[in-house]
Amino acid sequence: SQTIHQWPATLVQPVGSPLSLECTVEGTSNPNLYWYRQAAGRGLQLLFYSVGIGQISSEVPQNLSASRPQDRQFILSSKKLLLSDSGFYLCAWRGGRGTSYNEQFFGPGTRLTVL
Amino acid sequence: AQSVSQHNHHVILSEAASLELGCNYSYGGTVNLFWYVQYPGQHLQLLLKYFSGDPLVKGIKGFEAEFIKSKFSFNLRKPSVQWSDTAEYFCAVNALGGGFKTIFGAGTRLFVKA
Repeated sequence: SQTIHQWPATLVQPVGSPLSLECTVEGTSNPNLYWYRQAAGRGLQLLFYSVGIGQISSEVPQNLSASRPQDRQFILSSKKLLLSDSGFYLCAWRGGRGTSYNEQFFGPGTRLTVL
Repeated sequence: AQSVSQHNHHVILSEAASLELGCNYSYGGTVNLFWYVQYPGQHLQLLLKYFSGDPLVKGIKGFEAEFIKSKFSFNLRKPSVQWSDTAEYFCAVNALGGGFKTIFGAGTRLFVKA
């Protein structure tokens, strides 16, 4: 069966520090991968998605970047965190082209607090 | 661009009351539609989905949703809610031909009073 992992679960970082959040998927190949930020009352905001290694699409201009160094690994980064980067970050996967998995499966999330 | 609108941000009901959460989307083409639920302290999980066929779809825990193409709507219903339905509910749309993006609504927080 497929599983999705995110770490860390919680993170407190000072303004201006770097960020690296990691997401890995097991039990599937060639998944589509997604990073969302969940804010109260604003739902899930799609930040990045990737359909393959090294392929990243950015949805909103921001202080964050994403990378996909391996098929089942998706990393969310920042060189210098801002207060406004605080939030709950969710990684998700979906079956790639040619699969029947059209729904997304979500990880447990990372609660990031920037002070 | 695709967008999803959920009409109610907060809903409070008593047990056994009926529930209907509104969801409208903007996209003129073929869509896949989803409702996800997030129970307190748990992952987001799929409640139900519509891809094609019968516009009335049934999901887990007695939930159902009806796709009305002419109204661009996909409202979620449950005839009799329980305290355990307290959660946040998200409507989501994936537009075929719109790439692999899935767009979520802002969510509706449902609180069911015992």
